[in-house]
Amino acid sequence: NAGVTQTPKFQVLKTGQSMTLQCAQDMNHNSMYWYRQDPGMGLRLIYYSASEGTTDKGEVPNGYNVSRLNKREFSLRLESAAPSQTSVYFCASHRDRVNYGYTFGSGTRLTVV
Amino acid sequence: GIQVEQSPPDLILQEGANSTLRCNFSDSVNNLQWFHQNPWGQLINLFYIPSGTKQNGRLSATTVATERYSLLYISSSQTTDSGVYFCAVEGQAGTALIFGKGTTLSVSS
Repeated sequence: NAGVTQTPKFQVLKTGQSMTLQCAQDMNHNSMYWYRQDPGMGLRLIYYSASEGTTDKGEVPNGYNVSRLNKREFSLRLESAAPSQTSVYFCASHRDRVNYGYTFGSGTRLTVV
Repeated sequence: GIQVEQSPPDLILQEGANSTLRCNFSDSVNNLQWFHQNPWGQLINLFYIPSGTKQNGRLSATTVATERYSLLYISSSQTTDSGVYFCAVEGQAGTALIFGKGTTLSVSS
């Protein structure tokens, strides 16, 4: 039981390049989330998906797109990376409306130069 | 939206000391979790505690939902307790966890 798996763990991009961060969960959770963490701050929500086929914006969605490919996978795409997107990105999943907490992946450290 | 405030922002302890971290939130919640982010950046789920009290070894947590706060107690602290502790809540009308800015704990031997 791997939980939430994120790939890659580290990435360096040049300004203007594009990339997709991958996230997969094997817990049959309905909801999935993308957060970013900047120094000295807590995690901020980028996008979330309450169920397969639906996605919604969070607090900081600008510059990102997401795809809920199926129940297991939720990807985050940077179409034209900017230095302001240098951050650590976390994916999470949740079972919904049941007394369980969120489960987080181990993060992707992204640097845009 | 719901606001989450954690205090203190920084805490420095000697090994063996006890500490209390506080989380205040601005509205009723369905979900409250405490996380420990270790020096390698990994987020470790400590407690799911929207109300009541739980204990796990040297750590315990209490949430008083009616007064909109939660406390995390660390007893007999060890150097491995160092890192950032986050409180995160999901409001009753919310759709995701909202994080506080964290308490950075440094435990020295």
